Amino acid sequence: EAAVTQSPRNKVTVTGGNVTLSCRQTNSHNYMYWYRQDTGHGLRLIHYSYGAGNLQIGDVPDGYKATRTTQEDFFLLLELASPSQTSLYFCASRGTGGIAETLYFGSGTRLTVL
Amino acid sequence: GDSVTQTEGQVALSEEDFLTIHCNYSASGYPALFWYVQYPGEGPQFLFRASRDKEKGSSRGFEATYDKGTTSFHLRKASVQESDSAVYYCALGTGGYKVVFGSGTRLLVSP
Repeated sequence: EAAVTQSPRNKVTVTGGNVTLSCRQTNSHNYMYWYRQDTGHGLRLIHYSYGAGNLQIGDVPDGYKATRTTQEDFFLLLELASPSQTSLYFCASRGTGGIAETLYFGSGTRLTVL
Repeated sequence: GDSVTQTEGQVALSEEDFLTIHCNYSASGYPALFWYVQYPGEGPQFLFRASRDKEKGSSRGFEATYDKGTTSFHLRKASVQESDSAVYYCALGTGGYKVVFGSGTRLLVSP
């Protein structure tokens, strides 16, 4: 079965702090995604990637960097965290069978910025 | 840009009621349309999809029909159960491999 693992499950940091969220998929999928989930906004796309070394800009990229080091690993970086980045973050992976391919999500990382 | 609109933020029903959750989209080209469901403490999971006009997707008693004319993909179920309580997301996939989600609809079903 498709597997996407996120770490940590929970993270608390202070304003101005440096945070890295990790995601690993064992699906052999080329595409990986980072979303944030907020009440009233649903899932909003931050960044995505179609392979190691590639990065595509999503809809809410400000304040976030991302890096895809291997086909399996995709990281989200907050270099100067702000309270507005308090959210539930989801990583997902997807194959290259076309636009009808399914997204497989991890269980999420809850980030609190004090 | 591409977008998905879900008009109901929350829907409260009793068991065996009929469910409709509205989804309208705006996209250039011909997107694929999806419904995902999210249970508490979990990530969203795929429910079903449709990728061409008039195609009906379905799963677990839920269904939706791709309507290019009205740019809609409304979710329906004839008789909901308490176990259907969850958040439902409509989404679209485009040629650039971007996947855009709506704001979600929380379904609460009481026994």
